[in-house]
Amino acid sequence: AAGVIQSPRHLIKEKRETATLKCYPIPRHDTVYWYQQGPGQDPQFLISFYEKMQSDKGSIPDRFSAQQFSDYHSELNMSSLELGDSALYFCASSLRGSNQPQHFGDGTRLSIL
Amino acid sequence: GDSVTQMEGPVTLSEEAFLTINCTYTATGYPSLFWYVQYPGEGLQLLLKATKADDKGSNKGFEATYRKETTSFHLEKGSVQVSDSAVYFCALSENQGAQKLVFGQGTRLTINP
Repeated sequence: AAGVIQSPRHLIKEKRETATLKCYPIPRHDTVYWYQQGPGQDPQFLISFYEKMQSDKGSIPDRFSAQQFSDYHSELNMSSLELGDSALYFCASSLRGSNQPQHFGDGTRLSIL
Repeated sequence: GDSVTQMEGPVTLSEEAFLTINCTYTATGYPSLFWYVQYPGEGLQLLLKATKADDKGSNKGFEATYRKETTSFHLEKGSVQVSDSAVYFCALSENQGAQKLVFGQGTRLTINP
């Protein structure tokens, strides 16, 4: 079965640069979530989209923005990168509904030098 | 706000031992509860879920029962294998409004042959 696809898998940037992470949800899933997982930590919710509209916002810095496109793929744009942004960034997708489980991609490992 | 507390790790067991990883939650509503597993270098995989009180989720020999009276969702397995070595995350999702996942801190499990 098709899974959530994230690209790139690894990304190395320097401070103050920008980065764009991409997520392709499971076909027919209408909701996309972004999470940030620091080293040895649990994933923290950043932002979510339902039917291309932002549906919830968590601890996402103002330097970050995201959107969902007409084909349901999503992009997380990160600017003025800081050392503390080094983390694993996960995208998850699901069907809308209170009991629907979220399916995660393998993540993008972002390293800031 | 909502929160999830897991027993601290790491946990090291011998093959065929009995496993319990404790998880308790705090939520304002009636959440759905999940266990996710993360193998090294991979994303989070849904292990099992329960959506209402007294529901039992089960998969691959793992079980967890939604206990509303004790606000708990402990993970159990009767006989662990080396291949079960991973990090296990307990998580909740509110059933109304935002459906973001709130994770516990994760428990690293190592099974020795």
